[in-house]
Amino acid sequence: GAGVSQSPSNKVTEKGKDVELRCDPISGHTALYWYRQSLGQGLEFLIYFQGNSAPDKSGLPSDRFSAERTGGSVSTLTIQRTQQEDSAVYLCASSLVPRVGSPLHFGNGTRLTVT
Amino acid sequence: GENVEQHPSTLSVQEGDSAVIKCTYSDSASNYFPWYKQELGKRPQLIIDIRSNVGEKKDQRIAVTLNKTAKHFSLHITETQPEDSAVYFCAASITGGSNYKLTFGKGTLLTVNP
Repeated sequence: GAGVSQSPSNKVTEKGKDVELRCDPISGHTALYWYRQSLGQGLEFLIYFQGNSAPDKSGLPSDRFSAERTGGSVSTLTIQRTQQEDSAVYLCASSLVPRVGSPLHFGNGTRLTVT
Repeated sequence: GENVEQHPSTLSVQEGDSAVIKCTYSDSASNYFPWYKQELGKRPQLIIDIRSNVGEKKDQRIAVTLNKTAKHFSLHITETQPEDSAVYFCAASITGGSNYKLTFGKGTLLTVNP
C-alpha cells in the first residue's frame, strides 16, 4: 500500500506569510507525529496525534505553530507569520498503534524555505 | 524531558571496515532505543531497535548494544559497504503510559569510501 504522503514537497514563502503543510498517513495508522529536521539539529519533535486529539503538543516552538488532524487521517501543520528560522524540513510519521515500539513510518518531508 | 546525545557527528570509513556510533540518554526510565537510517534525499527508516531487557541485538551486519547503567547504547556496522552511507539517528523513549514520542539524537553522517 501507499506510504506516508506529504505535500507540498517544497515550499518557498516570504517572511510573514502563513503556510500549511499536509500529511496523509498510512491507512489504518492511528498515531501521527510531526518532526522538524534542521541542518545539524536532528529530528525535533513537534506534536503527536492519537486519533484526532493531540495529547502532546510540547514540541511546538511557539504559538505561531498549530496542527490539526481530521477523520483520524489527514493532518495539517500550520505556521503563521513565518520567520526565517522556520526554514527546515518538516517530517510527518505515522504508526499503526499509539505506542512507542510501534515503528514510525516517515514521509519524504516538506522542505520549507522562508525568504 | 529526555535528552539524547549522539557521537560522532560525521564518520568516514573504508569499505569493509567497521563503524560504531554511540549515543547517551538522560532519562533512566527510557527503555526503548531504535535506530533510523536516512539515505540522501530519502525518508528515515527503522533499521534496528533494542529494549532495555536485553543487552545486545544483531541483524546480519548491524548490531546494537545497550549499557543501562551507563545510559548509553551503540550501533555497530561490520563489513561496511558503500550503500551503508547515510545519516543514522538514534532515539530513546519510554514505552507504556502516555509517552509516545521518540527523542532523537542529532544524527551521524556515515560515509563509506570504496
